[in-house]
Amino acid sequence: DGGITQSPKYLFRKEGQNVTLSCEQNLNHDAMYWYRQDPGQGLRLIYYSQIVNDFQKGDIAEGYSVSREKKESFPLTVTSAQKNPTAFYLCASTLSRGTNTGELFFGEGSRLTVL
Amino acid sequence: ILNVEQSPQSLHVQEGDSTNFTCSFPSSNFYALHWYRWETAKSPEALFVMTLNGDEKKKGRISATLNTKEGYSYLYIKGSQPEDSATYLCAFKTSYDKVIFGPGTSLSVIP
Repeated sequence: DGGITQSPKYLFRKEGQNVTLSCEQNLNHDAMYWYRQDPGQGLRLIYYSQIVNDFQKGDIAEGYSVSREKKESFPLTVTSAQKNPTAFYLCASTLSRGTNTGELFFGEGSRLTVL
Repeated sequence: ILNVEQSPQSLHVQEGDSTNFTCSFPSSNFYALHWYRWETAKSPEALFVMTLNGDEKKKGRISATLNTKEGYSYLYIKGSQPEDSATYLCAFKTSYDKVIFGPGTSLSVIP
């Protein structure tokens, strides 16, 4: 079945450690996105990528890094520089070549807890 | 930073009531306005994608309108049912593919 797979679903890490969240899609979508949700808040954009080997900072990119080496994959690394990393992270994708107006499709999310 | 606002923040209605929410967004760099429903323990799912000023979309009891000149969209639910309970998100897509979400409106429909 086509879809977006995020892993792991739950992750615990110690302060000072980097952690990488995986996002894979088999929908042949061009654009991929990472969002963060905190309790009582909406989705805030961390990074997005329109095509392979290119990505743009969102509103809260500090302390995060991404790569887009393959169309299907858009991993997010939460670095030790991220001051408040405990949150729920959602990955999304859309068929976009700069002109498509289609909706985002989401993964099931990854919940990161820093101990 | 592009700002998308939604109101109200939360809403509690009785089954059978009709309700509406508001989304306001920047009027510059507009490409599309999305509405999503996000149920507990699930992923957000798209309800509508609207692009043209004056657009109106309908899906069953839910409908939406778009005013790009003044930067707002309304979502209407007619005859709310308990299964409509969810968070409703609007998202603003720019001409350069950036998609910014509002904070959402949490709807609870009381049987």
